[in-house]
Amino acid sequence: DSGVTQTPKHLITATGQRVTLRCSPRSGDLSVYWYQQSLDQGLQFLIQYYNGEERAKGNILERFSAQQFPDLHSELNLSSLELGDSALYFCASSVGLAGFGETQYFGPGTRLLVL
Amino acid sequence: GQQVMQIPQYQHVQEGEDFTTYCNSSTTLSNIQWYKQRPGGHPVFLIQLVKSGEVKKQKRLTFQFGEAKKNSSLHITATQTTDVGTYFCAGSGNQFYFGTGTSLTVIP
Repeated sequence: DSGVTQTPKHLITATGQRVTLRCSPRSGDLSVYWYQQSLDQGLQFLIQYYNGEERAKGNILERFSAQQFPDLHSELNLSSLELGDSALYFCASSVGLAGFGETQYFGPGTRLLVL
Repeated sequence: GQQVMQIPQYQHVQEGEDFTTYCNSSTTLSNIQWYKQRPGGHPVFLIQLVKSGEVKKQKRLTFQFGEAKKNSSLHITATQTTDVGTYFCAGSGNQFYFGTGTSLTVIP
């Protein structure tokens, strides 16, 4: 158990819909990262937040958005869902900024299926 | 932009054989980390290398950071079925980049 929690574990929805994925970081961690992992694919970095502020953006689509709240939990919003958005979405947390070589602790992931 | 590539993408070995995965960056990295993801699981941190030419060992696993800090390798000696999973390198530059991963299958 990494200490990072993600809800829900599974999500099934239809194309065109909007969903929200939630992540609670480890106690004391200020950074939250979101990743997308499609079948047989690597980890695609989406976005990073540090202490409530966006710090880095990766390959995040305009239909996707995220935020980190004052209590440091984070939400990833996926809208106008397409079949290709079906994937495993991981949240990770670290104490500070991984750009300085910190370990990232991953949550169990949310498996999204868009039908 | 910066890319971190890993080879091979897939590797099947007989139990007891050795295994190596290579990680290459297009730019110099300040450090490199290795993660393991078991089938159906989430990535788990294994180790971090910071110094040029650094070599670290964890039991049957040997990690190496290249002299130019642009490549790294993970070598597993005498693989076991518990080694099954996907191994990712992740490098820190001005961002944090995960490699494409190597999926290891160990045949008993």
